[in-house]
Amino acid sequence: TQLLEQSPQFLSIQEGENLTVYCNSSSVFSSLQWYRQEPGEGPVLLVTVVTGGEVKKLKRLTFQFGDARKDSSLHITAAQPGDTGLYLCAGNSGGSNYKLTFGKGTLLTVNP
Amino acid sequence: NAGVTQTPKFRILKIGQSMTLQCTQDMNHNYMYWYRQDPGMGLKLIYYSVGAGITDKGEVPNGYNVSRSTTEDFPLRLELAAPSQTSVYFCASSYSGGAGGYTFGSGTRLTVV
Repeated sequence: TQLLEQSPQFLSIQEGENLTVYCNSSSVFSSLQWYRQEPGEGPVLLVTVVTGGEVKKLKRLTFQFGDARKDSSLHITAAQPGDTGLYLCAGNSGGSNYKLTFGKGTLLTVNP
Repeated sequence: NAGVTQTPKFRILKIGQSMTLQCTQDMNHNYMYWYRQDPGMGLKLIYYSVGAGITDKGEVPNGYNVSRSTTEDFPLRLELAAPSQTSVYFCASSYSGGAGGYTFGSGTRLTVV
């Protein structure tokens, strides 16, 4: 069974601060995705990373896939209240596996 | 584009009752999934389908059933509801399976009393 561990579980910061959340596994994934979920809504895909060492930027969000494709990080610069939500990472082992394994998420609160 | 539509948004069931959670997508995606989300527990896969007529169990299938008669629809049936099935249920679809990312519906919050 592939597991994804996310840390921290909870994070509360002030507007303007920077933060990093982590997604770690002992398993290798062919791709890894990050989702953001707001209260009362379903998760929304932010990014997919597929190459070891890959870095993707989405405005103030920077995503990195570890060289060994076992871990990933999400860095937010100058956080805003609109960044508040549950951040989920999800991995796919590839091949004929049509399913994603989800981490339990990091609940981020950005206070004005 | 409606994306993935789930109905109802909220439902309260009594123990032993049955119900069907509806899910439909208009993106012509072959892959569809049902997850449940409990506080602090992440998303657990209940059932999934790789195309019309094909379904398979996920991690937590007990107490649930699915069918996939069309590409668009993937209903989830709860038989003999139990308090342990109190949860938020999400339907998702994907064009290319796990690697392509999922589009989720907005969820159904179910309470069994």
